[in-house]
Amino acid sequence: DGGITQSPKYLFRKEGQNVTLSCEQNLNHDAMYWYRQDPGQGLRLIYYSQIVNDFQKGDIAEGYSVSREKKESFPLTVTSAQKNPTAFYLCASSTIGGTYGYTFGSGTRLTVV
Amino acid sequence: DAKTTQPTSMDCAEGRAANLPCNHSTISGNEYVYWYRQIHSQGPQYIIHGLKNNETNEMASLIITEDRKSSTLILPHATLRDTAVYYCIALNAGNNRKLIWGLGTSLAVNP
Repeated sequence: DGGITQSPKYLFRKEGQNVTLSCEQNLNHDAMYWYRQDPGQGLRLIYYSQIVNDFQKGDIAEGYSVSREKKESFPLTVTSAQKNPTAFYLCASSTIGGTYGYTFGSGTRLTVV
Repeated sequence: DAKTTQPTSMDCAEGRAANLPCNHSTISGNEYVYWYRQIHSQGPQYIIHGLKNNETNEMASLIITEDRKSSTLILPHATLRDTAVYYCIALNAGNNRKLIWGLGTSLAVNP
């Protein structure tokens, strides 16, 4: 079945550490996105990519980095520069253009300990 | 991107229709109205989308006003599993980037 897979589901990070969240899709979608969701809040866009080896900052990119070396993969690194990283992180993919909207992964819950 | 406004919360009795409103008065001609829902601690799930005409699928119906300034998502026979946060967003078909999603409507379906 086609879909989008995020791993791990739960992640714990010590202060000062970098951690990488995985996102893989087999939908042949060109565009991929990372969102952050805080308790009781809507989704906020961190980074997005519409083509391999290219990506753009969203509204809250500070303290995060991404790469897009393969069409299927869009990992997100939460760096030590992110001052408040505890949140629920969602990866999504879509076609570019068209009206199919987003397909979301099941999310990664990151907690700083 | 057009801003959307939704009520914070709604209640519905199990088996009855749930009608969730959304205002999008600044929507542009090439923006579609999409509805997603998010069950706690899961990724949002696509429900339905439309441009001008009313739409129906196996999950829901979408009614869009003639001036396109508002829409209503209808769950015809709500079940307890429909309890979720429902998001209404406007998306440009040529640019799927969406900076910020609103808080959505928290729908509670009661037995």
